[in-house]
Amino acid sequence: DGGITQSPKYLFRKEGQNVTLSCEQNLNHDAMYWYRQDPGQGLRLIYYSQIVNDFQKGDIAEGYSVSREKKESFPLTVTSAQKNPTAFYLCASSPSTDTQYFGPGTRLTVL
Amino acid sequence: GESVGLHLPTLSVQEGDNSIINCAYSNSASDYFIWYKQESGKGPQFIIDIRSNMDKRQGQRVTVLLNKTVKHLSLQIAATQPGDSAVYFCADGAGSYQLTFGKGTKLSVIP
Repeated sequence: DGGITQSPKYLFRKEGQNVTLSCEQNLNHDAMYWYRQDPGQGLRLIYYSQIVNDFQKGDIAEGYSVSREKKESFPLTVTSAQKNPTAFYLCASSPSTDTQYFGPGTRLTVL
Repeated sequence: GESVGLHLPTLSVQEGDNSIINCAYSNSASDYFIWYKQESGKGPQFIIDIRSNMDKRQGQRVTVLLNKTVKHLSLQIAATQPGDSAVYFCADGAGSYQLTFGKGTKLSVIP
């Protein structure tokens, strides 16, 4: 059963905490992406990775960090430097520069 | 579809009618276009794509039309069903790993 998985589905963070969102894919896609979605807005790119051990900042990378040690995995850490982290986070992957396929998302809430 | 604040453009259609959802893009260099469907609380789901060398492409109950002259894209859904209720948004790419996403249109199907 191929696809993209994200965990957890819901995540709660206290002020000053770092949290890590998991994204795994078994589609053998080279590229992976992290987006943030806020109500009534389009998807905003946080980070993307074209290949293992390489990643680039997107439009809103401040307060976030990523790693790409394995082709299948692209975890996102939301640091305490991110002042307004409450949002729906979406991970995606693609075989090339074409269609991106999305995971089910993680909803992060700051308490 | 552009949105204002937290409010997405909304389209209400009667079950069984055809739906037409519109999208404008701004990048003249875009050569690849995608439509996604997003149900509440879930990740976006790929519906159909089209390249700039085509004006029309048909899938199962869906048709995408591309007008490059006015940079406009539309998604037509035939015989709309209650399960089609969702937010639909377009994305365009210009050969890089970054896609530009529209804010979306909320489709509500009236039984």
